[in-house]
Amino acid sequence: RKEVEQDPGPFNVPEGATVAFNCTYSNSASQSFFWYRQDCRKEPKLLMSVYSSGNEDGRFTAQLNRASQYISLLIRDSKLSDSATYLCVVNRGFQKLVFGTGTRLLVSP
Amino acid sequence: GAGVSQSPSNKVTEKGKDVELRCDPISGHTALYWYRQSLGQGLEFLIYFQGNSAPDKSGLPSDRFSAERTGGSVSTLTIQRTQQEDSAVYLCASSSDGAYGYTFGSGTRLTVV
Repeated sequence: RKEVEQDPGPFNVPEGATVAFNCTYSNSASQSFFWYRQDCRKEPKLLMSVYSSGNEDGRFTAQLNRASQYISLLIRDSKLSDSATYLCVVNRGFQKLVFGTGTRLLVSP
Repeated sequence: GAGVSQSPSNKVTEKGKDVELRCDPISGHTALYWYRQSLGQGLEFLIYFQGNSAPDKSGLPSDRFSAERTGGSVSTLTIQRTQQEDSAVYLCASSSDGAYGYTFGSGTRLTVV
């Protein structure tokens, strides 16, 4: 079993739709959590950190459920520019990030 | 510089040759990481440097891979006797505090022919 698991997608949604991605992690000692975005043939870029209390950044909302070892990302009012691969990332200590293989999102006109 | 700089951006090499990949982290970042990403795959951790501590080499796939970080700044990843399975994008990242995520360079795309 992979340490960080994500549905690879692709998720095909129309502009304006709301879409949610989920991620599970296996190491209960994991300490911090992130969502990264990766465009085709580009490096990953930090989208947002994820906290148990939930956090929001514009159209993006991230949530962590430590009891279930589950992380989510919600994107509201999808834009064409949101098309990318979204990577769920876990810091399991000693500053080592473990990346999921990503969920691909395609937003169409 | 303002970001993490990697060179070369692309490298094509013949099987069996040695290659060196360079990473120049963000100034002041004490932590430096190397990952690789094969086509359609997730990021695979290779090695981590933190300040003057001994590096965490637990992700290096074989003894053909080595890395060093000179003066707590620039890092070089060396792959000896390259094999076709080494073909991937090699990504370097740096961080001032891993709890807040990393900044990645644009990577070196290595192709072994």
